[in-house]
Parts: sequence; structure tokens; C-alpha cells
Amino acid sequence: EADIYQTPRYLVIGTGKKITLECSQTMGHDKMYWYQQDPGMELHLIHYSYGVNSTEKGDLSSESTVSRIRTEHFPLTLESARPSHTSQYLCASSKGPHRGPYNEQFFGPGTRLTVL
Amino acid sequence: GNSVTQMEGPVTLSEEAFLTINCTYTATGYPSLFWYVQYPGEGLQLLLKATKADDKGSNKGFEATYRKETTSFHLEKGSVQVSDSAVYFCALTPNQAGTALIFGKGTTLSVSS
Repeated sequence: EADIYQTPRYLVIGTGKKITLECSQTMGHDKMYWYQQDPGMELHLIHYSYGVNSTEKGDLSSESTVSRIRTEHFPLTLESARPSHTSQYLCASSKGPHRGPYNEQFFGPGTRLTVL
Repeated sequence: GNSVTQMEGPVTLSEEAFLTINCTYTATGYPSLFWYVQYPGEGLQLLLKATKADDKGSNKGFEATYRKETTSFHLEKGSVQVSDSAVYFCALTPNQAGTALIFGKGTTLSVSS
């Protein structure tokens, strides 16, 4: 079954810890995205990738980094977590432009991160 | 630039009431338009979409029509249910290769029985 997965679903950690949020999709999508969702529900794009070895920063400045070594995998890393990083992180994927005129995105269930 | 403006919530309705959530957009070119829904504790799910002017997207009793003349994509449902309680996001993507979604701020809908 094609789907998009995120782990962990919930994470509570202390300040200064390094963490990696995992995102994987089995749909063969070229494009992948990370969004940060604040308590007011607004979504902000923080990173995106159009394929292997391609990563770009999004509209919202973030201290996180991403990598895209495999098509199906797009992990997000925080080298030193802080309370200001407390948020919900949503991963999404979509087909490449040559497969359709619009970028319908499919979302994972999200990771709710709390930094104490 | 490209942007999406949604009506602010929360919207509180009784079961079987009529729902409208307003959405207007600003975009260069000819965007595709979407409504996504987020149920409590979950990620976003695509509810419906429209890719060109006058298209009507529909799903699960929800409808929205792409109105280029008013740059709008209002979400409607004739009779809401308690299970429709969620956050609804209007979004667009310009028809340019490789452009990510631009979301509105979301509207929380609460339906009581």
C-alpha cells in the first residue's frame, strides 16, 4: 500500500539534544516537503526537495537541516533542540512536474515535538 | 506574489446546518486550488481540488467552485455532521513546475449535535 510515514509521532526531549525526524514515502514521488505547523494551525514550508541530492530552504527560516540521499526518504535534523522548536512537523510528497499539471501533495500524520 | 486568505474561525454550527468557508487568493498566472482537511491529531488530507476556472471540486458532500472573476474558491456543504469537525485549509499552487503549496491560515470548524 502506497503511503507516507513519519516517525516518531510524538517526541519530548531536553534542550540541546540532537534529533532526527524521519519521513518515508512508498509512492515513488520525486518531490518531498517539510512543513512546520504552529499552535495557531498555520503551515509554513521550511524545506523541500525535488529529487535525490536536491534540497532547498522554504519560506520560513529554520535551524533544521534535511538530506535526500534516497528518493523515498527525507529526514529532518535539529542539531541542538531548543524550546522554540516545539511544534508539529508535517512531511509531504508529490509527483514531479512531468507527471501532471499540478502538485497534489500527500501528507504524513506528523510529528509533535516538545522541547523542554 | 501568491497568497491565500481564509475566513477566520472558529466556525461553530449545529448538525445539519449549511456550511460556507470563504477563501480568496492572489496569484500570478493560473493556479490550481485545493481544500485540505486536518482532523484532530492527524496530518492533512486532500478534500477536493480544481485546476482551472469554473471547475467544481467535490468530495464527501463538500463542494468548491474555482471563480477566476472573483479570485475565490469558497467551500460549501449543505448539511454538516459532527464528524466534519476539523481544521480546513485552502491552498494554491501556481502552475509552474516545482512550486510548493501556499496555504491559508486554516479555519476551525466545530459541529455539535
